[in-house]
Amino acid sequence: DAGVIQSPRHEVTEMGQEVTLRCKPISGHNSLFWYRQTMMRGLELLIYFNNNVPIDDSGMPEDRFSAKMPNASFSTLKIQPSEPRDSAVYFCASSLRTPNNSPLHFGNGTRLTVT
Amino acid sequence: AQSVTQPDIHITVSEGASLELRCNYSYGATPYLFWYVQSPGQGLQLLLKYFSGDTLVQGIKGFEAEFKRSQSSFNLRKPSVHWSDAAEYFCAVGISSNTGKLIFGQGTTLQVKP
Repeated sequence: DAGVIQSPRHEVTEMGQEVTLRCKPISGHNSLFWYRQTMMRGLELLIYFNNNVPIDDSGMPEDRFSAKMPNASFSTLKIQPSEPRDSAVYFCASSLRTPNNSPLHFGNGTRLTVT
Repeated sequence: AQSVTQPDIHITVSEGASLELRCNYSYGATPYLFWYVQSPGQGLQLLLKYFSGDTLVQGIKGFEAEFKRSQSSFNLRKPSVHWSDAAEYFCAVGISSNTGKLIFGQGTTLQVKP
């Protein structure tokens, strides 16, 4: 099992540019989560999907952020236009949705720097 | 609202000493509790979880945690710390029985002295 795969590992971009982060969940997992980690705010849940359907996007900071999951093996998080305050580490995680709250498996994250 | 508090932002212990990392949660129903560890530049790795049953749960790398409902706590312990345990540790609560949605604490950074 390759685990959750995120790309790129690092992204440096200028303010105003579009940024797309990618995630491949663990095969067979049916829930996918996007988290953002910063020193100030810690780990924040941005959005999560069950069976490719967005369930809760209340954590998405604003309309500049959007996420899609076109199929069970791929998800993107897009920021357009990007701003310096978006600089953070973005984690994707997946799990197998069960009544007993299957643990999350995290990718290694994408470190985004917006200058 | 659901929340998780890790009172200690940073802890330093000597190698071989015992360790306890504190975690308190606020949640009205039966909590699903987790401890994760994050090494620099890495994602979070699950150490252990509590769903129900025995309140003392064993995890990987020699860690254990005890759920105390009366204290709303889920403290992480290890009898003898190794230098490789230096990392950041996160406590989390699952706020729904089947969504996998977790609320994380702010994390505790563990430094291990030789």
